[in-house]
Amino acid sequence: GNSVTQMEGPVTLSEEAFLTINCTYTATGYPSLFWYVQYPGEGLQLLLKATKADDKGSNKGFEATYRKETTSFHLEKGSVQVSDSAVYFCALRTRGNQFYFGTGTSLTVIP
Amino acid sequence: EAGVTQFPSHSVIEKGQTVTLRCDPISGHDNLYWYRRVMGKEIKFLLHFVKESKQDESGMPNNRFLAERTGGTYSTLKVQPAELEDSGVYFCASSPDWDGNQETQYFGPGTRLLVL
Repeated sequence: GNSVTQMEGPVTLSEEAFLTINCTYTATGYPSLFWYVQYPGEGLQLLLKATKADDKGSNKGFEATYRKETTSFHLEKGSVQVSDSAVYFCALRTRGNQFYFGTGTSLTVIP
Repeated sequence: EAGVTQFPSHSVIEKGQTVTLRCDPISGHDNLYWYRRVMGKEIKFLLHFVKESKQDESGMPNNRFLAERTGGTYSTLKVQPAELEDSGVYFCASSPDWDGNQETQYFGPGTRLLVL
């Protein structure tokens, strides 16, 4: 079956710290992979995506590389800011156009 | 361009009552999706409309849930009668015509439902 597993939170970091949020997936076939972010009081927004193995998605200083060999799509940012405080969701989309999400990881960045 | 909107933002009802959630997708988007996140768990797919037709409703938990999209514009999700385990956040998303791997779904802010 298809599923996404991401590291449990909450995660609390100081400003300018390095961020990693782990995400691994199980899928039949070759899914596309996504990171969505939900800021307080808002809907989920697409942060970045990768549609095939070895692709790197990047946006707003965040990066994630589609690793087929380790079935992973870890989210990283070199220097977080207070404004990055949000809930981050890893997701995969199958060829049949179904989305599967992880449980979400809450990030709080303190000044 | 207005985003996906959902109404109400919050709803608190008693077990056995009926609640109707509404989603207005981005204008022109043929695809509309409903998802649910139960407290602390993953966001789960409920169903997918293409215009007014149900493309995939494999995620609907049971027959207490009824989704409609008359006219292919806004959609409603009715829960009748509501049970305690229906509590959670209900998200709606929309996307334009699917173009292979390029589809991006745009999410609304969600409706927080609490069944007491």
